[in-house]
Amino acid sequence: AQKVTQAQTEISVVEKEDVTLDCVYETRDTTYYLFWYKQPPSGELVFLIRRNSFDEQNEISGRYSWNFQKSTSSFNFTITASQVVDSAVYFCALSETQGGSEKLVFGKGTKLTVNP
Amino acid sequence: DSGVTQTPKHLITATGQRVTLRCSPRSGDLSVYWYQQSLDQGLQFLIQYYNGEERAKGNILERFSAQQFPDLHSELNLSSLELGDSALYFCASSVDSSYNSPLHFGNGTRLTVT
Repeated sequence: AQKVTQAQTEISVVEKEDVTLDCVYETRDTTYYLFWYKQPPSGELVFLIRRNSFDEQNEISGRYSWNFQKSTSSFNFTITASQVVDSAVYFCALSETQGGSEKLVFGKGTKLTVNP
Repeated sequence: DSGVTQTPKHLITATGQRVTLRCSPRSGDLSVYWYQQSLDQGLQFLIQYYNGEERAKGNILERFSAQQFPDLHSELNLSSLELGDSALYFCASSVDSSYNSPLHFGNGTRLTVT
């Protein structure tokens, strides 16, 4: 079975605060990929990052950083110095191959509101 | 702009009716995926096509069907519509059939069944 849990349903911060969005996953596969997608108020889903299960290096892209820890099955997303434009719903997703069949499963999402 | 085009943006119809949602993938992408997003169920995978062939099926109802045409555009047909079918329907595309490839989503079609 596979599962992606985003325990934080909604987070509200003030501009310039740092915020971390949690993602915990479950899988029995040794090879899998993790993703983060952003859904701004306009509605489209935007790909942010992909990480494979063999690459535990943290990644930084501007104000965004991702912390992948296999030991705790977590793939957390941190926004540093948040801005109003970061307001969106963020989805964590897991893909894995089981029995020759691939699946991509999304978490329920975390709604981030950044207030001015 | 993801390069994935979905039409129409909004659709309002009555129960029992049939509608067709259309998707044009990004140039060069061979896979098309359909997802349903509702408040209670979140993002649910419906079906995937790769180069015209059905590749994987998710939680797609028998009242729903899809196809991918030779020019790689795809259509999702929803019939005998029920109130519970009201949702945002996303199409996504990727370069190959692997779920390891990032998906590029369209802006979605918001379906309202009254």
